[in-house]
Amino acid sequence: GAVVSQHPSRVICKSGTSVKIECRSLDFQATTMFWYRQFPKQSLMLMATSNEGSKATYEQGVEKDKFLINHASLTLSTLTVTSAHPEDSSFYICSASSRETSGSSYEQFFGPGTRLTVL
Amino acid sequence: GIQVEQSPPDLILQEGANSTLRCNFSDSVNNLQWFHQNPWGQLINLFYIPSGTKQNGRLSATTVATERYSLLYISSSQTTDSGVYFCAVVVRGSTLGRLYFGRGTQLTVWP
Repeated sequence: GAVVSQHPSRVICKSGTSVKIECRSLDFQATTMFWYRQFPKQSLMLMATSNEGSKATYEQGVEKDKFLINHASLTLSTLTVTSAHPEDSSFYICSASSRETSGSSYEQFFGPGTRLTVL
Repeated sequence: GIQVEQSPPDLILQEGANSTLRCNFSDSVNNLQWFHQNPWGQLINLFYIPSGTKQNGRLSATTVATERYSLLYISSSQTTDSGVYFCAVVVRGSTLGRLYFGRGTQLTVWP
């Protein structure tokens, strides 16, 4: 149980285009979803936290208009990188947690990640 | 914010050896998780362990919440254990369950 999927796993796009990444909880309803970014040989950096039906909470320094997050249902969150540029190239990872699976413990389960390359 | 420190940063082992990874944290926590990030980037949940001791096969973990540290033990290491091991915590009182990650321990197991 507690499986999280991400799509696509890899995307290459031209500078200036927008890219949408989907994160789905497959076998549970995710109360909260998180989006992270990871650079090579570094730890995960939280970008934003989203609850179903409400606006995402962005971490300091993360541009809301650049990284649009939509948590439209209890099983789906999307991250859209708008007008992508080469510096947005990175590994993006989502995670999900739910009181169904972990009560108040906030155990998080992670998707496999999306590798974005902007040319 | 809370500080999460992992040691050692790098660890190189011969297959069959045992190892201990450490995670220190600077504040009280609701949740502590250990993850293994495989070479393809997937984070695999190893343990959810805010306190106490758990075992799963060759892996075990102990968290001493009152002293603010956790240990991950890997016994009889295999080449497939290679990768980065992360410790992450949720600060006590958190309403959204935000995880704070350590920098990780890069483990390399040679045959």
